[in-house]
Amino acid sequence: NAGVTQTPKFRILKIGQSMTLQCTQDMNHNYMYWYRQDPGMGLKLIYYSVGAGITDKGEVPNGYNVSRSTTEDFPLRLELAAPSQTSVYFCASRDSNQPQHFGDGTRLSIL
Amino acid sequence: GEDVEQSLFLSVREGDSSVINCTYTDSSSTYLYWYKQEPGAGLQLLTYIFSNMDMKQDQRLTVLLNKKDKHLSLRIADTQTGDSAIYFCAEARFGSGGGADGLTFGKGTHLIIQP
Repeated sequence: NAGVTQTPKFRILKIGQSMTLQCTQDMNHNYMYWYRQDPGMGLKLIYYSVGAGITDKGEVPNGYNVSRSTTEDFPLRLELAAPSQTSVYFCASRDSNQPQHFGDGTRLSIL
Repeated sequence: GEDVEQSLFLSVREGDSSVINCTYTDSSSTYLYWYKQEPGAGLQLLTYIFSNMDMKQDQRLTVLLNKKDKHLSLRIADTQTGDSAIYFCAEARFGSGGGADGLTFGKGTHLIIQP
């Protein structure tokens, strides 16, 4: 099993550009999450999903969108990139009553 | 203020025990976790404890939970240079995020190992 796979690993965007951060898991987990980690801070929840077709906002959803058309994939979309969205983005998944497993992260810079 | 609080730095000598502390505020927390993050890497789950337990031991790791004081600690015995990393305490709250238990993280403790 590959676990939780995030692509790309690094990306530089210009202000106002859009992009999609990809996340896929091969563990058949129903629960998936997106977090962002700013320098010197812990992770903050952006969006989460409890299963295919179901998504909901976390603590810091503004400026982002998600979709969950399959169990495996949970992409995160930035429509109009802003400097405040410079961060490291982590995707995670879990099975019922099990801990979250994290991907290696996507390091995103908005210039 | 922060819902989960940790000291930012801890310095220990190689071979000594490290004790990383964490306090949380939500009494409805269900699971409490310790994650390790090495530079430029993702988060590695170290251990976790259910809120009705007070201790869990796994090889060099011991987790202590004082639910009355909402205090969690992680003890690493015989600390090695490979233990140098940032350690995050995180809590999962029953009912948060519509029951999906999104985690709330502390800011992380940088563990520095002195030779």
